[in-house]
Amino acid sequence: DQQVKQNSPSLSVQEGRISILNCDYTNSMFDYFLWYKKYPAEGPTFLISISSIKDKNEDGRFTVFLNKSAKHLSLHIVPSQPGDSAVYFCAASEWWDMRFGAGTRLTVKP
Amino acid sequence: DARVTQTPRHKVTEMGQEVTMRCQPILGHNTVFWYRQTMMQGLELLAYFRNRAPLDDSGMPKDRFSAEMPDATLATLKIQPSEPRDSAVYFCASGLANPLQGANIAFFGQGTRLTVV
Repeated sequence: DQQVKQNSPSLSVQEGRISILNCDYTNSMFDYFLWYKKYPAEGPTFLISISSIKDKNEDGRFTVFLNKSAKHLSLHIVPSQPGDSAVYFCAASEWWDMRFGAGTRLTVKP
Repeated sequence: DARVTQTPRHKVTEMGQEVTMRCQPILGHNTVFWYRQTMMQGLELLAYFRNRAPLDDSGMPKDRFSAEMPDATLATLKIQPSEPRDSAVYFCASGLANPLQGANIAFFGQGTRLTVV
């Protein structure tokens, strides 16, 4: 039972453009949401997070948006850079029970 | 340089053999997770511990998998007997649970790539 879903396995964008990665969840008890970035042969690394009491959190080129009524969050990367090419995992947690999606592979083309 | 350390990085074993994966969480972290990465399921939560006590291991196949924390600096994940379908990358992560703050960021190790032939 996938509680966190990333329906796009891959996304390709041009350098300098916006990348939008999407994530849906089913458990309304989730109260904290995170995005992780993963390079090959490495573990996922934390990128940005948002509490359920907020609808937006921004950190440099990265912004996460949360729509609680739709149980949907998204990660915007502006502008996209070739170094952003990686697999991005969405995660949702209820306290420390943290569930991940299947990941979206982002490719940023020069 | 605080980081989660996993050993071995790679393991190839024959079906039926016992496999033990080890994890050293970041010093001071009181929550430890085991995840398995597969193509279809992404990062699948197997088990997690708080202060060395198992809080949830419902994601693990109980008949063959076991997870323990013998002490605060070591977490182990064992598979006995191993099967080809267990082939995956297994990640350990740790974090510091603080009831006074909402942030709950888990820090991941580099993973153990297990191949069962």
